[in-house]
Amino acid sequence: KQEVTQIPAALSVPEGENLVLNCSFTDSAIYNLQWFRQDPGKGLTSLLLIQSSQREQTSGRLNASLDKSSGRSTLYIAASQPGDSATYLCAVSSGNTGKLIFGQGTTLQVKP
Amino acid sequence: NAGVTQTPKFQVLKTGQSMTLQCAQDMNHEYMSWYRQDPGMGLRLIHYSVGAGITDQGEVPNGYNVSRSTTEDFPLRLLSAAPSQTSVYFCASTRTGGRPGANVLTFGAGSRLTVL
Repeated sequence: KQEVTQIPAALSVPEGENLVLNCSFTDSAIYNLQWFRQDPGKGLTSLLLIQSSQREQTSGRLNASLDKSSGRSTLYIAASQPGDSATYLCAVSSGNTGKLIFGQGTTLQVKP
Repeated sequence: NAGVTQTPKFQVLKTGQSMTLQCAQDMNHEYMSWYRQDPGMGLRLIHYSVGAGITDQGEVPNGYNVSRSTTEDFPLRLLSAAPSQTSVYFCASTRTGGRPGANVLTFGAGSRLTVL
């Protein structure tokens, strides 16, 4: 059974710092991996999707990497801002569907 | 575009009552799904559908029922509410296949359910 783990559960950094969020999964036979952002009381917003054949994806200050063989993904946030404060979730899919297995998320606080 | 619309946003039920959470999308997405989010447990898949007339169970389907009579709508029914079903429920949709945007889920804003 696929399990997805995100460590740490919470992270607090000063504004301007570069930071890395970690995601690990137990079964390397994934189809894709996605990173989402969730603001308090809101739904999830997709940030990046990495296909299993890709090593990384970039969007603005965000860069997500994927190492299938080791079962790991990282989300790199450059020059963090208070507006980046949110919970970040990673999720993996085993097929060409929308069925995802989610990690528990990392709650990020960026202090001004 | 409205995206994915969920109603109601908040609901309080008594144990044993039944209700339906509504989900509608206007993006012509084939795939729709329901997740529940509980503290410390992330999101867990309840039911999903790959198209009108086709539904299947996810990780935690017990106590829930779904149907998909149209592409746009995917209601979630609680048959006899229990306190263990107190949670935040999210509906999500995506297109499938090899087209741009495939498998990128669009989520609704959530429905917070409390069962007393």
